[in-house]
Amino acid sequence: EAQVTQNPRYLITVTGKKLTVTCSQNMNHEYMSWYRQDPGLGLRQIYYSMNVEVTDKGDVPEGYKVSRKEKRNFPLILESPSPNQTSLYFCASSWGPNQPQHFGDGTRLSIL
Amino acid sequence: SQKIEQNSEALNIQEGKTATLTCNYTNYSPAYLQWYRQDPGRGPVFLLLIRENEKEKRKERLKVTFDTTLKQSLFHITASQPADSATYLCALDNDMRFGAGTRLTVKP
Repeated sequence: EAQVTQNPRYLITVTGKKLTVTCSQNMNHEYMSWYRQDPGLGLRQIYYSMNVEVTDKGDVPEGYKVSRKEKRNFPLILESPSPNQTSLYFCASSWGPNQPQHFGDGTRLSIL
Repeated sequence: SQKIEQNSEALNIQEGKTATLTCNYTNYSPAYLQWYRQDPGRGPVFLLLIRENEKEKRKERLKVTFDTTLKQSLFHITASQPADSATYLCALDNDMRFGAGTRLTVKP
């Protein structure tokens, strides 16, 4: 089954404690991206990757890092999380930046 | 400034009626536009894509129109059912910009 898998689904942590949200897709897609979703603001893109070792900033990259060492994986790293990064995060993959996106089921992060 | 606006945060309709959701945009020139459905606790799911040279696209009970002059897309669900209750998002192909979504509730 084609899917995008994110882990963890839920996480409550404290300010400053580094965390990583993993994302893996099994569709051999070249394009992957991370979004955050906040009430009233919709989905905003954090980072995207056109292919292995190629990443670029989206609209709201501050405070986040990503890496793309393998085609299937695209982890999101918060080196020093802060409360304003409390949000619902989605990973997505597709054949290209403007093609229909396949989304994971989300990771709800709470930073205290 | 660039904006994508979906007509209202919430829309309530009676089962069997046609639901019409609106997506308006300013200062964008998309070549195509996409609609997604999002259920609570789940990621968005792609529904339909319409290109700028297509006036209308249909898929089962769904219909999407795209008017580049008005800078607007309309998303229709005919013969709506309670199972259609969800949040619907539009997205422009300009770096995949999403609207905030409209939460549709279909009452039996």
